[in-house]
Amino acid sequence: KQEVTQIPAALSVPEGENLVLNCSFTDSAIYNLQWFRQDPGKGLTSLLLIQSSQREQTSGRLNASLDKSSGRSTLYIAASQPGDSATYLCALSSGDMRFGAGTRLTVKP
Amino acid sequence: KAGVTQTPRYLIKTRGQQVTLSCSPISGHRSVSWYQQTPGQGLQFLFEYFSETQRNKGNFPGRFSGRQFSNSRSEMNVSTLELGDSALYLCASRMTGGRNEQFFGPGTRLTVL
Repeated sequence: KQEVTQIPAALSVPEGENLVLNCSFTDSAIYNLQWFRQDPGKGLTSLLLIQSSQREQTSGRLNASLDKSSGRSTLYIAASQPGDSATYLCALSSGDMRFGAGTRLTVKP
Repeated sequence: KAGVTQTPRYLIKTRGQQVTLSCSPISGHRSVSWYQQTPGQGLQFLFEYFSETQRNKGNFPGRFSGRQFSNSRSEMNVSTLELGDSALYLCASRMTGGRNEQFFGPGTRLTVL
């Protein structure tokens, strides 16, 4: 059974900092890995998707990497802004979709 | 292109009642998945439908059921509601094949009293 762990559970940084969110998983037999953002009480917004054959994806200030051999993915956020404050979830797809518990990010002005 | 829509957005029920939630996927998406999100358990997969057939099912009791119509719209039903069923229910759609990227709706907040 796929286990997904996200560290840290919460993170608070000053505006402008670069930061890294971590996601680890136990089963490397995946179709893809997706990073989402969730604002309180809202649905999930897809940020980046990395297919199983890929190593990284970039969108604007976001960069996600995937290392199946070590069971890890990272989400790098450059020059963080207060609007980036949200919970970030990683999810692995292999038939069904397994989510981590998320990292709650607060970016202070 | 319109996103995934869910109705209703908020619902209050009492124990023992049953409830039906609706999800309309993005046009052209034939797969619809349902998830339950609670503070204690996080996001948990309920089931996935594709072409009106249940393709995958998570570890939930039989009180949770779903169906998909020929236009890909999906409904989820919960019978004999329990207090623990209070949660945000999220629906996601994807176009099968290719990237398989999932897109989520805003969710239905169910409160069971």
